Amino acid sequence: NAGVTQTPKFRILKIGQSMTLQCTQDMNHNYMYWYRQDPGMGLKLIYYSVGAGITDKGEVPNGYNVSRSTTEDFPLRLELAAPSQTSVYFCASSRGQGAPETQYFGPGTRLLVL
Amino acid sequence: AQTVTQSQPEMSVQEAETVTLSCTYDTSESDYYLFWYKQPPSRQMILVIRQEAYKQQNATENRFSVNFQKAAKSFSLKISDSQLGDAAMYFCATNTGNQFYFGTGTSLTVIP
Repeated sequence: NAGVTQTPKFRILKIGQSMTLQCTQDMNHNYMYWYRQDPGMGLKLIYYSVGAGITDKGEVPNGYNVSRSTTEDFPLRLELAAPSQTSVYFCASSRGQGAPETQYFGPGTRLLVL
Repeated sequence: AQTVTQSQPEMSVQEAETVTLSCTYDTSESDYYLFWYKQPPSRQMILVIRQEAYKQQNATENRFSVNFQKAAKSFSLKISDSQLGDAAMYFCATNTGNQFYFGTGTSLTVIP
């Protein structure tokens, strides 16, 4: 059982480049989330989705875009990368049945923007 | 937005001893959940324990238990019989609907 998988594990981007962070879950969870974790800080929510075709902004959405065309996949798109986007990115999923369910996290993607 | 405060950036405990990690939060919600997550060096976030705010009884999971003081908005984590594998960053979190808010974490060192 793979759970939540993220690719790539690590990436270096130049300022102004774009990239997509991939996230896939095989637990048939309705809810999916993207967080970023800056050094020495807690996680901050970027975007979340409550089902295929439905997405919403979190605390820190600027500079990012998401889409949710299937239940399994929730890619995060960075357009025009900036040094401030250097961070570790975590994807998570949960069943999302009414009350907030426990989130299951992927292993993270470390992004360095130079 | 909710805020979650963990006032202890670092803690240490002798193996087999007990340690308590502190967490306070601010919320205007009446119905919410509280969580403790563990993040070992692998960076994988692992749920340790969950508390539903409307439940008076403190949650327990084996060696992990919480002291939930709703009026004080306090949610501390007690780890009993500490083991070397407990060494990690611990994050407290709460939710508003579908949005989750995390504290800045406490780094726990377990001394053999």
